[in-house]
Amino acid sequence: SQKIEQNSEALNIQEGKTATLTCNYTNYSPAYLQWYRQDPGRGPVFLLLIRENEKEKRKERLKVTFDTTLKQSLFHITASQPADSATYLCALRLLFGSGTKLNVKP
Amino acid sequence: DTAVSQTPKYLVTQMGNDKSIKCEQNLGHDTMYWYKQDSKKFLKIMFSYNNKELIINETVPNRFSPKSPDKAHLNLHINSLELGDSAVYFCASSQQGTGVGLGEAFFGQGTRLTVV
Repeated sequence: SQKIEQNSEALNIQEGKTATLTCNYTNYSPAYLQWYRQDPGRGPVFLLLIRENEKEKRKERLKVTFDTTLKQSLFHITASQPADSATYLCALRLLFGSGTKLNVKP
Repeated sequence: DTAVSQTPKYLVTQMGNDKSIKCEQNLGHDTMYWYKQDSKKFLKIMFSYNNKELIINETVPNRFSPKSPDKAHLNLHINSLELGDSAVYFCASSQQGTGVGLGEAFFGQGTRLTVV
């Protein structure tokens, strides 16, 4: 069956550092992959979509890579800030990973 | 203007009752979804509608029935509520065309359903 795994349940980093979150999948040949941010008590907010023919995509301090051979996507936040603290979810087709809770400490 | 709005935001009800959650999107999208987020925060697809037609129906009990009167609305009706139905339900929409997938989806703020 199709499976999406986000390896870390939680990630704690210091302000100013780069946060790297991982999303692995199995039994998929996705045309694209997405990343969402979810704050407590709110719905997910779309951040980035990367297609299978794109290796990397950037948006301000965010960078996503997509390796269809490794079946993995990496999500980076550079110069992280406390305001970046949230749960980050990757999604393939209609399925979501379990999310990684990022805590950025001042 | 809220892009995807759900009502109510909170719903507390007794076991056995029937309840509805309404969802409206003003983005002109052709596809709408219902997701369930359980206590472990795992988001699970329930239904997907494209142009008012049901295209995805995951293994959801028959007690759950979605209804889409038009492209901008997707309501969720739940019969004979059970304790296990307690969760946060999210409505979402995207412009999908004929593809299957979430795309750049916009989510509502969620409806927290508590069955007592």
